[in-house]
Amino acid sequence: SQQGEEDPQALSIQEGENATMNCSYKTSINNLQWYRQNSGRGLVHLILIRSNEREKHSGRLRVTLDTSKKSSSLLITASRAADTASYFCATGGGSNYKLTFGKGTLLTVNP
Amino acid sequence: EAGVAQSPRYKIIEKRQSVAFWCNPISGHATLYWYQQILGQGPKLLIQFQNNGVVDDSQLPKDRFSAERLKGVDSTLKIQPAKLEDSAVYLCASSATGWGTEAFFGQGTRLTVV
Repeated sequence: SQQGEEDPQALSIQEGENATMNCSYKTSINNLQWYRQNSGRGLVHLILIRSNEREKHSGRLRVTLDTSKKSSSLLITASRAADTASYFCATGGGSNYKLTFGKGTLLTVNP
Repeated sequence: EAGVAQSPRYKIIEKRQSVAFWCNPISGHATLYWYQQILGQGPKLLIQFQNNGVVDDSQLPKDRFSAERLKGVDSTLKIQPAKLEDSAVYLCASSATGWGTEAFFGQGTRLTVV
């Protein structure tokens, strides 16, 4: 079963604009991760935020986590055409640290 | 650092045939995952190994799918017999410990069942 649900399912923006994707999940987690997938490079890890953290930055990426609302957001600033990809949130939790992915957001950045 | 290796990259088989996929994780990684990704969907966890023991296989269709991890390193995933709905990309991933660490993915095997 899918743990996370990304919103929106698809997003189309112009180069230079910011892109925001949201993820909601159902059960308690140890951490939440964001991954990118494009046809050329497969699934690539972007950033991990732990359950006791509220915000994390990595380059042009900013992730927030609200455990009370069971939600996270990924902000990509100053988008580039190369950011075109599907973005997935993945939750890690439970005694076995099961890593469960959502359905993803397809981001298209138009030049 | 070498990444996660998977083979083959592509496979086409007829329904009711059997198929096997191979994965070599990053050296020293204790946790190995197999995911099934159907076109347009997110990866679905099939099985998770910690060293050579299974820690989760709740979504593995055990009547037709099997997996093993040899000596806590390489892993194989087998489907026997295959059904049309098994057409998907099968992804292998590994992580250092599994406890709060990032997963590294291979390029995947695209299976088409006709």
